[in-house]
Amino acid sequence: KAGVTQTPRYLIKTRGQQVTLSCSPISGHRSVSWYQQTPGQGLQFLFEYFSETQRNKGNFPGRFSGRQFSNSRSEMNVSTLELGDSALYLCASSLEAGLTDTQYFGPGTRLTVL
Amino acid sequence: ILNVEQSPQSLHVQEGDSTNFTCSFPSSNFYALHWYRWETAKSPEALFVMTLNGDEKKKGRISATLNTKEGYSYLYIKGSQPEDSATYLCAYPDFGNEKLTFGTGTRLTIIP
Repeated sequence: KAGVTQTPRYLIKTRGQQVTLSCSPISGHRSVSWYQQTPGQGLQFLFEYFSETQRNKGNFPGRFSGRQFSNSRSEMNVSTLELGDSALYLCASSLEAGLTDTQYFGPGTRLTVL
Repeated sequence: ILNVEQSPQSLHVQEGDSTNFTCSFPSSNFYALHWYRWETAKSPEALFVMTLNGDEKKKGRISATLNTKEGYSYLYIKGSQPEDSATYLCAYPDFGNEKLTFGTGTRLTIIP
């Protein structure tokens, strides 16, 4: 079974631009969660999508948004990029809601904002 | 804010030695605790999901124990090997905010 895939793997943007990251979950998984990893910080929860609906959102500004499609693929968008948005963005999929189910992580997208 | 703490932050262990580290979490309303291993340049990989007080799980040379009453879990690695070098993360479901809260991890380096 194919694992979680994320595209692109690396991205360089400048301040003020916007970016869209993509995540394809494991086949059959309905939940996709997004996390941000910055140096010295643990994985910070961004949001979770389940059956095309956002179930919950972490403590991030409205510039961070996402969506999920009917095939469970998910996209994350960051508008008006700031230097502090430079981070590794991971998505994880699980069969059902992500709080107790094992999460399967993708390789991440490394975003650099200049 | 739900606190999940891991200690130590980093650890260097001689190859062949055994080691352990800790994850602390709120002891009230416990439901589950996750352990993940994150090797450099790879994706975090699930090790265990622990749900019962006193539970002990094992995967090869890695095992974990759980004490829900006092709010901690230990991860043990027996006879460390270079491939055990990774960051080990624990995660605790925060039902109030509907999210999985991760600790900052223990970075383990095995010295050949």
